[in-house]
Amino acid sequence: AQSVSQHNHHVILSEAASLELGCNYSYGGTVNLFWYVQYPGQHLQLLLKYFSGDPLVKGIKGFEAEFIKSKFSFNLRKPSVQWSDTAEYFCAVTDTDKLIFGTGTRLQVFP
Amino acid sequence: DGGITQSPKYLFRKEGQNVTLSCEQNLNHDAMYWYRQDPGQGLRLIYYSQIVNDFQKGDIAEGYSVSREKKESFPLTVTSAQKNPTAFYLCASRGVLGSNQPQHFGDGTRLSIL
Repeated sequence: AQSVSQHNHHVILSEAASLELGCNYSYGGTVNLFWYVQYPGQHLQLLLKYFSGDPLVKGIKGFEAEFIKSKFSFNLRKPSVQWSDTAEYFCAVTDTDKLIFGTGTRLQVFP
Repeated sequence: DGGITQSPKYLFRKEGQNVTLSCEQNLNHDAMYWYRQDPGQGLRLIYYSQIVNDFQKGDIAEGYSVSREKKESFPLTVTSAQKNPTAFYLCASRGVLGSNQPQHFGDGTRLSIL
């Protein structure tokens, strides 16, 4: 079965620092990949998704992710984080009609 | 506005009691899902349903039950057999089966034991 690994459990950054959160999935073939964000007290929201085509995907709020098939990776990046990016970030991959989530990365951004 | 409504927002359960969490969607989505979120463990799939009157077990179905009598509704019952029910429960839905549409999530229900 498909699985997802997020190696960064807790990341602490200052505002304006660059961000990269790692995400690896377990096996190849055709995959659909997602990053979701959960702001404190709010529901999960879709940041971006990859289905096919350009492996560099741009999402909301200045986030982007790069799909590297050879590395089974879909890392999330943002050039300059803001305090409002403090949240928990989840990588997910489809497995037939299910969505398999990673364990999440908690990002704290300090002013 | 279309969306997913979970109720209640907070729920308390006594030992030996069954409780039911509500999930309703007005997005006309075919598939619905229940996840459990625990700190450091991400979201784990409890049950999912791709069509009315049909559902499948996820990774942690023991101690839970569901029904899908209507397309809009997918209630989750946490039974007394679930020994560690304290968690945040999230309901999600997705559109046309086999499509690439992402899942939409409700605001969640936080269940605690009295």
